[in-house]
Amino acid sequence: NAGVTQTPKFRILKIGQSMTLQCAQDMNHNYMYWYRQDPGMGLKLIYYSVGAGITDKGEVPNGYNVSRSTTEDFPLRLELAAPSQTSVYFCASSYGVADGKTQYFGPGTRLLVL
Amino acid sequence: GENVEQHPSTLSVQEGDSAVIKCTYSDSASNYFPWYKQELGKRPQLIIDIRSNVGEKKDQRIAVTLNKTAKHFSLHITETQPEDSAVYFCAAPRNAGGTSYGKLTFGQGTILTVHP
Repeated sequence: NAGVTQTPKFRILKIGQSMTLQCAQDMNHNYMYWYRQDPGMGLKLIYYSVGAGITDKGEVPNGYNVSRSTTEDFPLRLELAAPSQTSVYFCASSYGVADGKTQYFGPGTRLLVL
Repeated sequence: GENVEQHPSTLSVQEGDSAVIKCTYSDSASNYFPWYKQELGKRPQLIIDIRSNVGEKKDQRIAVTLNKTAKHFSLHITETQPEDSAVYFCAAPRNAGGTSYGKLTFGQGTILTVHP
């Protein structure tokens, strides 16, 4: 199993550009999450999904959108990039219908908005 | 929603010493408390977790204790080694009073440095 994979590893965007951060998992996990980690800070939840076709906002959703058309994929869309979106983005997944399940993280995407 | 406070923000110890990191949480309904380790430039990885029906859990050199009355839980690392140097995050479920769907609120992180 590859686990949770993310592409690209690193990207530089100009202000106002758009991009999609890709996330995929091959563990048949139903729950998936997007976090951002600012330098020296903890992880903040952007969006999450409990299954294909079901997504909801997390703590910091403004400026982002997500979709979940399959169990495996959970892309994160930035429509109009702003310097405040410079961060490291982590995708994670877990399996279960109850709480207390381990979240497995992808390797992250480092985004720089200039 | 859940609020998680983590202390200290940095911790420096000598190899072989013990290290303790403490987190407090606000939602008394929270029932699951994981700890993640993140090495420089790497992804966070779960190292140990505890559920609210136990007070302590050990795994070799690491242990976690939970005090539900005081709403705090702590990570203990004994006989520290240089490879323990990393950032450690605690977490607790968001919206634990209802269904959190596995969502977590993370602490701010502790940078642990173990000097040889």
